[in-house]
Amino acid sequence: GAGVSQSPSNKVTEKGKDVELRCDPISGHTALYWYRQSLGQGLEFLIYFQGNSAPDKSGLPSDRFSAERTGGSVSTLTIQRTQQEDSAVYLCASSSAVAGLGNEQFFGPGTRLTVL
Amino acid sequence: AQKVTQAQTEISVVEKEDVTLDCVYETRDTTYYLFWYKQPPSGELVFLIRRNSFDEQNEISGRYSWNFQKSTSSFNFTITASQVVDSAVYFCALRETSGSRLTFGEGTQLTVNP
Repeated sequence: GAGVSQSPSNKVTEKGKDVELRCDPISGHTALYWYRQSLGQGLEFLIYFQGNSAPDKSGLPSDRFSAERTGGSVSTLTIQRTQQEDSAVYLCASSSAVAGLGNEQFFGPGTRLTVL
Repeated sequence: AQKVTQAQTEISVVEKEDVTLDCVYETRDTTYYLFWYKQPPSGELVFLIRRNSFDEQNEISGRYSWNFQKSTSSFNFTITASQVVDSAVYFCALRETSGSRLTFGEGTQLTVNP
């Protein structure tokens, strides 16, 4: 079966514009995660969705960041009024386990966001 | 709070050498999971291994082996007879059962030269 897919693979935007990043998890995976990888910050957790539970948004860096997961499958990460420090690779991951069971997360190829 | 430290930023070896990547972690949980991921130049993170805190048995998979020691809070990764294709960034990560996120170390860039 297909792995985690993300689109677009690359996004260049101007400072102040809004962007939407999409993630399609592995079919049947109930857990979905967003991470950000940037120089100097490493890999940072952003947000976690599990089934119909309220998402864990504790990693979102500011209120300009939000995410949705529709129908328990596809997720969209939205960044409003982008800033240059938002430039990074945004990684999506999915797993089949609920929190606490430690199953491995499978990562997508990422979206490279560049804010000019 | 949880923390993962990979003190080796970069390692360079010659093909066929053995190499060990260090990982030290901090957590207050008694139950947790440790992971290693590989990130080749293509950029996609590839899962290598998961270990839970109750299982301190070392594991070997082909040329890869992992040494988990709770007493020193370490989960080190050894590649035996390294190959050029092993060149990548390797990340160690921790997941507490009380939380949902993976906490990653800073990564170790491994370069295997022919």
